[in-house]
Amino acid sequence: AQKVTQAQTEISVVEKEDVTLDCVYETRDTTYYLFWYKQPPSGELVFLIRRNSFDEQNEISGRYSWNFQKSTSSFNFTITASQVVDSAVYFCALSGNSGYALNFGKGTSLLVTP
Amino acid sequence: DARVTQTPRHKVTEMGQEVTMRCQPILGHNTVFWYRQTMMQGLELLAYFRNRAPLDDSGMPKDRFSAEMPDATLATLKIQPSEPRDSAVYFCASGTNSGAEITEAFFGQGTRLTVV
Repeated sequence: AQKVTQAQTEISVVEKEDVTLDCVYETRDTTYYLFWYKQPPSGELVFLIRRNSFDEQNEISGRYSWNFQKSTSSFNFTITASQVVDSAVYFCALSGNSGYALNFGKGTSLLVTP
Repeated sequence: DARVTQTPRHKVTEMGQEVTMRCQPILGHNTVFWYRQTMMQGLELLAYFRNRAPLDDSGMPKDRFSAEMPDATLATLKIQPSEPRDSAVYFCASGTNSGAEITEAFFGQGTRLTVV
């Protein structure tokens, strides 16, 4: 069985603060993929990143960075110098070779205030 | 700009009526997913197709829901009869699964269904 846990239900920060969204996963698959999606107030789901289980390198894209640690089964997402436009619900998801469909966490609602 | 297209965007219907939601996946993608999003349950997988064959529909209430892919450019999700508890946003997504690798899934804008 696959499971994704996003323990932080809601986070509120002031603009320009750094914020880290946690994601912990469980899987018995030997090959799996981890994803982050953003859902802004408009409702669409926007793909942010995909990482496979063989690649533990951290990734940085502008103000976004991701820390993948297999030892702790975590795939955390950090936004540096947050902006109001970052306000959204962020979902972590897991897919593996036992099922392939994406299993989503419950999401973390991020509010960035001016 | 390739994108997943869902119709209708909004649907209000009376309890007991049939509802059909349509999805056009991104050209070239061989996997299609249907998800339902509610406040209580979050994002739930309803059905998953690969190369038009249903691989997983364990999350779908079989007595009233059905999902099909008549061809590679169209996926449908049907509810008959609809009930108020079916009110939710239904998302379609498409991606690529080669067997050796899974790509990310791209989501449509969703169909907001309200059953009264």
